Amino acid sequence: DGGITQSPKYLFRKEGQNVTLSCEQNLNHDAMYWYRQDPGQGLRLIYYSQIVNDFQKGDIAEGYSVSREKKESFPLTVTSAQKNPTAFYLCASTPPFLGGHQPQHFGDGTRLSIL
Amino acid sequence: AQKVTQAQTEISVVEKEDVTLDCVYETRDTTYYLFWYKQPPSGELVFLIRRNSFDEQNEISGRYSWNFQKSTSSFNFTITASQVVDSAVYFCALRGANTGNQFYFGTGTSLTVIP
Repeated sequence: DGGITQSPKYLFRKEGQNVTLSCEQNLNHDAMYWYRQDPGQGLRLIYYSQIVNDFQKGDIAEGYSVSREKKESFPLTVTSAQKNPTAFYLCASTPPFLGGHQPQHFGDGTRLSIL
Repeated sequence: AQKVTQAQTEISVVEKEDVTLDCVYETRDTTYYLFWYKQPPSGELVFLIRRNSFDEQNEISGRYSWNFQKSTSSFNFTITASQVVDSAVYFCALRGANTGNQFYFGTGTSLTVIP
């Protein structure tokens, strides 16, 4: 079945540690996204990528980094510079922009907590 | 500027009651796309419906219906005869034809259906 796979489901970070969240899709989608969701709040865009080897900062990119070396993969690294990383992280993708009517497809999310 | 407002933070209804979730949007694009997503307690976002700006026809799908009114920049979602399984957070989102692959989400409405 085609879809987006995020791993791990739960992740714990120690102080000063970088951690990487995985996002893989087999939908052949060009664009991929990372969102952060805090309790009771909406989705805030961290980074997005429209094609391989290219990505743009979203509204809250500070303390995060990404790479897009393959079309299928868009990993997110939460660096030690992100002082409040506890949140629910969602990865999404969309097909090529052919008129804009395509919805985003989402993974199941990763819950990140500080130890 | 692109913006989506969901003024209702939390709504509680008794099972079998009807409930309407409000969504108001702002965009300068003449062509745009509106979406509704459901986020159950498990966390993943599930796509419900899409509406194009040039199609104001309302839509009904089972117990769900959507009322799109360009004159008031609203895209409201009604659940008829609500059920406990409808309990979730619902997000409204906007994508402009001139803003590439970016989606703009509201802050969500948390719906609780009480048995």
